[in-house]
Amino acid sequence: GDSVTQMEGPVTLSEEAFLTINCTYTATGYPSLFWYVQYPGEGLQLLLKATKADDKGSNKGFEATYRKETTSFHLEKGSVQVSDSAVYFCALSVVLGGSYIPTFGRGTSLIVHP
Amino acid sequence: DTEVTQTPKHLVMGMTNKKSLKCEQHMGHRAMYWYKQKAKKPPELMFVYSYEKLSINESVPSRFSPECPNSSLLNLHLHALQPEDSALYLCASSQDRGYNEQFFGPGTRLTVL
Repeated sequence: GDSVTQMEGPVTLSEEAFLTINCTYTATGYPSLFWYVQYPGEGLQLLLKATKADDKGSNKGFEATYRKETTSFHLEKGSVQVSDSAVYFCALSVVLGGSYIPTFGRGTSLIVHP
Repeated sequence: DTEVTQTPKHLVMGMTNKKSLKCEQHMGHRAMYWYKQKAKKPPELMFVYSYEKLSINESVPSRFSPECPNSSLLNLHLHALQPEDSALYLCASSQDRGYNEQFFGPGTRLTVL
């Protein structure tokens, strides 16, 4: 079935460092791809999305490009802040009983030190 | 209003108690979802409601009973839970079940003693 593989965390960085969190997917069709973020003690927030190949999603300084040739959707940020410390989930949309349901990766914890 | 609200924020219950979780959205969304999230794991889908009708039940035990009284409100009734049911319960909504983007609430942290 369709699935997402994320790099294992935690990822520990100093403030202003460059961030990459790897995500690859397996899918039979052309799913939409998402990054969700979960701050400590909170629910999930949609960070960015891309719906077709070569689309770039971006939000709050984060970017990810839908790469069909490498089946990847890596998350990047040029300069992280302490407030970016959270768990990041890569996800793709799977059709289940007529509903679009996100299939999540395992999540990658990001810890940013001052 | 682009928010999904959930109450209570925290809930502690014994195995013989009956309690309910509540979720509300006023975005006019017609699909609503319940997820269960254990610590350090991704959310797992439990139920999907579309136009107030249950459309997906992911083989959830009957001690969890969902209810959608109207298009803005989603409840999860809990009865005779087990300690392993302790988790964060997340509600989400989307414009329609055919739309990709889901909006999540902050969750209810449930502890079963």
